[in-house]
Amino acid sequence: DQQVKQNSPSLSVQEGRISILNCDYTNSMFDYFLWYKKYPAEGPTFLISISSIKDKNEDGRFTVFLNKSAKHLSLHIVPSQPGDSAVYFCAASVTGATNKLIFGTGTLLAVQP
Amino acid sequence: NAGVMQNPRHLVRRRGQEARLRCSPMKGHSHVYWYRQLPEEGLKFMVYLQKENIIDESGMPKERFSAEFPKEGPSILRIQQVVRGDSAAYFCASSPAAGDQPQHFGDGTRLSIL
Repeated sequence: DQQVKQNSPSLSVQEGRISILNCDYTNSMFDYFLWYKKYPAEGPTFLISISSIKDKNEDGRFTVFLNKSAKHLSLHIVPSQPGDSAVYFCAASVTGATNKLIFGTGTLLAVQP
Repeated sequence: NAGVMQNPRHLVRRRGQEARLRCSPMKGHSHVYWYRQLPEEGLKFMVYLQKENIIDESGMPKERFSAEFPKEGPSILRIQQVVRGDSAAYFCASSPAAGDQPQHFGDGTRLSIL
């Protein structure tokens, strides 16, 4: 039962353009969502998060949008840079319970110079 | 990923041996989580601990796996009598509190079973 899904295994974007990574979830109890970036042979690096009481959160070039009715979140990276090339994971949790993160399978982003 | 320290980075064991993976959380963090990433898969939750307490071990296999986070020292994930299927990357994460606090990850231990 894959509660968090990233349906695009890969995405290629030109440097300077917008990258949009998508994530869908099925469990309506999730109330905290996160995006992580991961390079090979390293651990996931936290990028940005959003609580279910919000629908948007911004941090520099990164913006996360949450659509609770559609059970969908997205990460926008503007402008994209070659150093952004990595695997991006979305994750979700039910706060107040065990805080365990449920991860999607990841999207490999390639930013072309 | 400075802050959460995992060792060893690579561990090779023969079938039937024991594997011990260590995790020191970020300074000031008292909540520790272990995740496993099998080849070609995403990260899967294993166990959540606070100092001296296991809070949630719903992702741990019922046999051969155990975890602890003692009052002093690092958290330990122990795998007894390892099998080939245990080969994976094991990641530890920590957070300062429960709730809507991001978890910060270490660089993992890559376990290979011969």
